[in-house]
Amino acid sequence: DTAVSQTPKYLVTQMGNDKSIKCEQNLGHDTMYWYKQDSKKFLKIMFSYNNKELIINETVPNRFSPKSPDKAHLNLHINSLELGDSAVYFCASSPLSGRKQYFGPGTRLTVT
Amino acid sequence: SQELEQSPQSLIVQEGKNLTINCTSSKTLYGLYWYKQKYGEGLIFLMMLQKGGEEKSHEKITAKLDEKKQQSSLHITASQPSHAGIYLCGADGNTDKLIFGTGTRLQVFP
Repeated sequence: DTAVSQTPKYLVTQMGNDKSIKCEQNLGHDTMYWYKQDSKKFLKIMFSYNNKELIINETVPNRFSPKSPDKAHLNLHINSLELGDSAVYFCASSPLSGRKQYFGPGTRLTVT
Repeated sequence: SQELEQSPQSLIVQEGKNLTINCTSSKTLYGLYWYKQKYGEGLIFLMMLQKGGEEKSHEKITAKLDEKKQQSSLHITASQPSHAGIYLCGADGNTDKLIFGTGTRLQVFP
């Protein structure tokens, strides 16, 4: 059983388009995250949600908007995609009191 | 803000050789995590260290946290091709934020 799943795994789109990435976890965790991994493999947090509430919002352009319809889902919507948005986006989750995070397989976004 | 520096950035070893990856923090570590990322895949949790001087092992991988809790090392004994990937150290930041190191790419050739 997949613990943290993301869809799609690959996403190729043109500049200016709007796209969404979905994330679901079946671990019963309270906290979910979105990370961005750039071409140099540097992993950086973007957002964190705890029980559907935003608790971390790093310096991310307003074009990125996370949405958590329930505790098990955290989606990432990106407006007006730019070339620099090309990266691998990882979703993760963790228990409320824990730090060990479980990561999804990643979504490779390519903006052309 | 806290920063984690990993060394080396890249490592190519022959199968069977031992290797060490280091992770140095700009601030005291209150929780240090090691993750492995296989090429094109997600991150897999390896180990967590919290106490100064703590050492943990899993199969052929051993991780240590120094007494001052500012540096951690990951040691692989008798490396195998299955050990290849990107190793990332992560540390507790503010709130629930994990800060990741710069990563070490490991290649193991037969």
